[in-house]
Amino acid sequence: ETGVTQTPRHLVMGMTNKKSLKCEQHLGHNAMYWYKQSAKKPLELMFVYNFKEQTENNSVPSRFSPECPNSSHLFLHLHTLQPEDSALYLCASSPPARGTTDGYTFGSGTRLTVV
Amino acid sequence: KQEVTQIPAALSVPEGENLVLNCSFTDSAIYNLQWFRQDPGKGLTSLLLIQSSQREQTSGRLNASLDKSSGRSTLYIAASQPGDSATYLCAVTPLENAGNMLTFGGGTRLMVKP
Repeated sequence: ETGVTQTPRHLVMGMTNKKSLKCEQHLGHNAMYWYKQSAKKPLELMFVYNFKEQTENNSVPSRFSPECPNSSHLFLHLHTLQPEDSALYLCASSPPARGTTDGYTFGSGTRLTVV
Repeated sequence: KQEVTQIPAALSVPEGENLVLNCSFTDSAIYNLQWFRQDPGKGLTSLLLIQSSQREQTSGRLNASLDKSSGRSTLYIAASQPGDSATYLCAVTPLENAGNMLTFGGGTRLMVKP
C-alpha cells in the first residue's frame, strides 16, 4: 500500500447508473487529484483540490462530479457515463507547499468499465 | 504548454543488461521531476524525485539524472531483472506557483526477458 487507498478496485456500471469512486490518504498531504488513464494515452489530469478547494477542472464533462469533504478524502461521483469513459481512474496526493522533498503518491486505481 | 516525451516507447532486453530510459521536456522552468513505475492495470509507484537544483538521485539499482537546461532526464537501471518489467513514466512539476500539477510523458514499456 502506498498510503493512498482507492475503492472499489474494479467497477462495472451501466450508462444510466450512478456510482462513486472513493480515495483516502493519511499522509498529511493537503492536495489531492483525480487522473484518468485510457488505453494508449498519457495520464490526463481531471481535478485538483488544494486544502479542500477545487483549484483545477481540466475541462471535464459534468457527468463527472468531484467532492472533497476534507483533506484526507476525495470522491468522484459518476452519472450517465458513456462507454468511452471506461478507463483506469487514479487518485493521487501531494504536499501543496513548495520546499518539501515529497512528491506525488498515487493509489492503485479503480478500473471502470461502462457497458 | 509543457510537453513531456519519453523514448523509446517500448524496450525489450535480456536479463542482466544495463539500460537507459530517456525523458525530455520542452519548458525548463520546472520545480522537480519524478520517475514512476506502473505495473499493468495498477497504480503508479514513485521511484525517484529530483528537485530542479539537483543533478541526480539514486535508489538501489536505479539512478536518475536531470539536465534542466537541456530539458532532459535519464533513468538508468543497472543489471536489469525480469521483475523490472513494467511501464516507466516521468513527470514534471511546473515552477510557477499556479499549481503543483504533474505533466506526464507517454511512458516506456520495458520487458526484461529471463
